[in-house]
Amino acid sequence: QKEVEQDPGPLSVPEGAIVSLNCTYSNSAFQYFMWYRQYSRKGPELLMYTYSSGNKEDGRFTAQVDKSSKYISLFIRDSQPSDSATYLCATVPQGGSEKLVFGKGTKLTVNP
Amino acid sequence: GAVVSQHPSRVICKSGTSVKIECRSLDFQATTMFWYRQFPKQSLMLMATSNEGSKATYEQGVEKDKFLINHASLTLSTLTVTSAHPEDSSFYICSAATGGYEQYFGPGTRLTVT
Repeated sequence: QKEVEQDPGPLSVPEGAIVSLNCTYSNSAFQYFMWYRQYSRKGPELLMYTYSSGNKEDGRFTAQVDKSSKYISLFIRDSQPSDSATYLCATVPQGGSEKLVFGKGTKLTVNP
Repeated sequence: GAVVSQHPSRVICKSGTSVKIECRSLDFQATTMFWYRQFPKQSLMLMATSNEGSKATYEQGVEKDKFLINHASLTLSTLTVTSAHPEDSSFYICSAATGGYEQYFGPGTRLTVT
């Protein structure tokens, strides 16, 4: 079993839709969770990070962590064509400069 | 803030030659830098972790003599692909961390070996 599982999609939605992106992880030692957005042929960009279970909101984006089920989600409200990208979930076991464990990424297309 | 640059953004080289890729943290000091490789439609594969002034730590299966990493200062790390072959063609991405859990990624370098 991979440490972080993420459905690669692709996911295609109409503009304005609510998008739900999900990952599961297997190691209960993972504590920090991040979502990165990667446009084609670019480096990943950190979108959001969370530490504990619960929700964290930033504009149209909401990150959710459920440690009891080892499930992390990213919701995008009022999706825009500019949100079209690959979204990668990532986690580290603990704070400090440690290796990130990435999901495979989900390719999202928002159609105008 | 937290800007990481890479140079060059794209390079084409002939088989057997060496290529150097630079990674710079522009507005912060990076205690640790990471080098990743990404194949088309694949996730990032960590190649090595480097700390300033120390030898890099390579992931299993990554040839350290082929992928030379130098972390000369808190703002600069270089990856040299030695004796490049077509199978080394890939998208190489660096990231930089300041001691916390956040990593800031560079824009990537596309290497094509002919």
